[in-house]
Amino acid sequence: ETGVTQSPTHLIKTRGQQVTLRCSSQSGHNTVSWYQQALGQGPQFIFQYYREEENGRGNFPPRFSGLQFPNYSSELNVNALELDDSALYLCASSLEGVSGANVLTFGAGSRLTVL
Amino acid sequence: AQSVSQHNHHVILSEAASLELGCNYSYGGTVNLFWYVQYPGQHLQLLLKYFSGDPLVKGIKGFEAEFIKSKFSFNLRKPSVQWSDTAEYFCAVISGGSYIPTFGRGTSLIVHP
Repeated sequence: ETGVTQSPTHLIKTRGQQVTLRCSSQSGHNTVSWYQQALGQGPQFIFQYYREEENGRGNFPPRFSGLQFPNYSSELNVNALELDDSALYLCASSLEGVSGANVLTFGAGSRLTVL
Repeated sequence: AQSVSQHNHHVILSEAASLELGCNYSYGGTVNLFWYVQYPGQHLQLLLKYFSGDPLVKGIKGFEAEFIKSKFSFNLRKPSVQWSDTAEYFCAVISGGSYIPTFGRGTSLIVHP
């Protein structure tokens, strides 16, 4: 089985720009969630997509948005980038995304630097 | 809101030493508990989980964790660490009625050969 793949692995943007990060979920998984991991911190939940709809959101502003496609792949879009958006963005897929048995399979992450 | 505390941010041990990493959470109701591990250069992956039943759970590579409800804790243990256990360890909690895990900030473990 294939795991979770993310692209790009690294990217550099400037303040005010927009970025799109992509994620392909593990085969058979129907739920995708996105996390922001700042240096020295644990992953912070951004939002989750199940059946192509957002069904949970963390404490992130609306300029963080996402999509899930019929093949369960997903995009994270961030508009009007700020310096504090610099972080590792992790995508995770799961099969039980809407239950407490939500065991995550993570990708390697996309490292975003905002200058 | 649920919060998860991992008090040991950096731990350095010699091989064969015993390991205990602390994890405490704030929510007092039903919880599902997880430990994830990130080895150098690898993805975050599940080490072990507790949903119900025996509060002592065993995971991969000889790790175990004990759920103590009265202490709101889910500490990770290993009797004898190896150099290959060098990694970042994250505790995560899903509170009753939710399906979104809250992660601690992680503990960096370095094991010297």
